[in-house]
Amino acid sequence: LAKTTQPISMDSYEGQEVNITCSHNNIATNDYITWYQQFPSQGPRFIIQGYKTKVTNEVASLFIPADRKSSTLSLPRVSLSDTAVYYCLVGDNNDYKLSFGAGTTVTVRA
Amino acid sequence: DVKVTQSSRYLVKRTGEKVFLECVQDMDHENMFWYRQDPGLGLRLIYFSYDVKMKEKGDIPEGYSVSREKKERFSLILESASTNQTSMYLCASSRPWGAYEQYFGPGTRLTVT
Repeated sequence: LAKTTQPISMDSYEGQEVNITCSHNNIATNDYITWYQQFPSQGPRFIIQGYKTKVTNEVASLFIPADRKSSTLSLPRVSLSDTAVYYCLVGDNNDYKLSFGAGTTVTVRA
Repeated sequence: DVKVTQSSRYLVKRTGEKVFLECVQDMDHENMFWYRQDPGLGLRLIYFSYDVKMKEKGDIPEGYSVSREKKERFSLILESASTNQTSMYLCASSRPWGAYEQYFGPGTRLTVT
């Protein structure tokens, strides 16, 4: 499993864009980059996955540079309800052992 | 939308009791998982199942067993509950080729007194 490093916490205000960068220097060729969101007292929720370049869905965008040694989750125009812990995971989709680290606690203020 | 449900949101049991945690998914997923989440320790995998009656140990299987008699249902069993099994228990499911795209249930907060 590739080791990931992400900030422990980030603060933002409503309406701003939040960018969370995850470092994964030893990412392997078959590895995907996956982000989860977890609200208090709930299970993590899969939000986006990518392999290279850019992926966008209704919740977020994921930017992956050519060397794939880092990735950035972008949350556009956040609201108070986006306050959560965000986890970056890197691994092969055939490897069932996920490794959730401490994640990044994002706090959105009014 | 994938839906993963767990039998209880909160559960209080006594030391030594046998505890059953049930999980049901409605998306015909082959893979199902049981985790526990503790402050400072993140999510830790207890057991994994990739098919009916098939199971594999995760990182912390001691004190737990599992049962998967039907594809949609995965049960976690605490044979003799102990206070150090007080935790948040999370069930998840995924397609066979999408282990990193797991769908989690709401969790069961188990307290063993």
